[in-house]
Amino acid sequence: AQSVAQPEDQVNVAEGNPLTVKCTYSVSGNPYLFWYVQYPNRGLQFLLKYITGDNLVKGSYGFEAEFNKSQTSFHLKKPSALVSDSALYFCAVRVPMDSSYKLIFGSGTRLLVRP
Amino acid sequence: DAGVIQSPRHEVTEMGQEVTLRCKPISGHNSLFWYRQTMMRGLELLIYFNNNVPIDDSGMPEDRFSAKMPNASFSTLKIQPSEPRDSAVYFCASSPGAETGGRALHFGNGTRLTVT
Repeated sequence: AQSVAQPEDQVNVAEGNPLTVKCTYSVSGNPYLFWYVQYPNRGLQFLLKYITGDNLVKGSYGFEAEFNKSQTSFHLKKPSALVSDSALYFCAVRVPMDSSYKLIFGSGTRLLVRP
Repeated sequence: DAGVIQSPRHEVTEMGQEVTLRCKPISGHNSLFWYRQTMMRGLELLIYFNNNVPIDDSGMPEDRFSAKMPNASFSTLKIQPSEPRDSAVYFCASSPGAETGGRALHFGNGTRLTVT
């Protein structure tokens, strides 16, 4: 089955410290992977994506993600967390359908950055 | 660019009533998606349109749910009759092009539906 998993419901980190939000995937073929962020009472916002090329992908707000094919992972990282990074983060993978594709989202990880 | 616009932001209705959620995608985007978000089930894709044509509605929970896209700038999601278990936040998203692989989805701010 094609899926994406976020093993942590919540990640807590102190402001200024590095953060990692984990994501693993299971998909046939070459994966297209995405990270989205959701702030309270808002829709999801695109952060970054991996299609091909360099395993380290840089995105919005200083976030980056590392694609690891052998571990089937796509962890989201940031060298120095901000309180304003506190939000809900979703990993997503593209899944082929009959004539197109759709995105399957993970269950989400709540990031809490304390001052 | 006003983004994806959804209305209403909040809807409270009684069980058995008809509910209609509305979405205006970003101009020029030809793919439109309806998602439902709940604590228990997370984000679920309900239906996906490309060039106003439904491509995949396998996520629509049951016949009480229906979606239309009469033109490129408007879509509706209707629940009739509504039930308490339909309570959720419903998101509309749009994307340029049929192939979402390389293109990000742009989400609206959602409609929070409460069925009592």
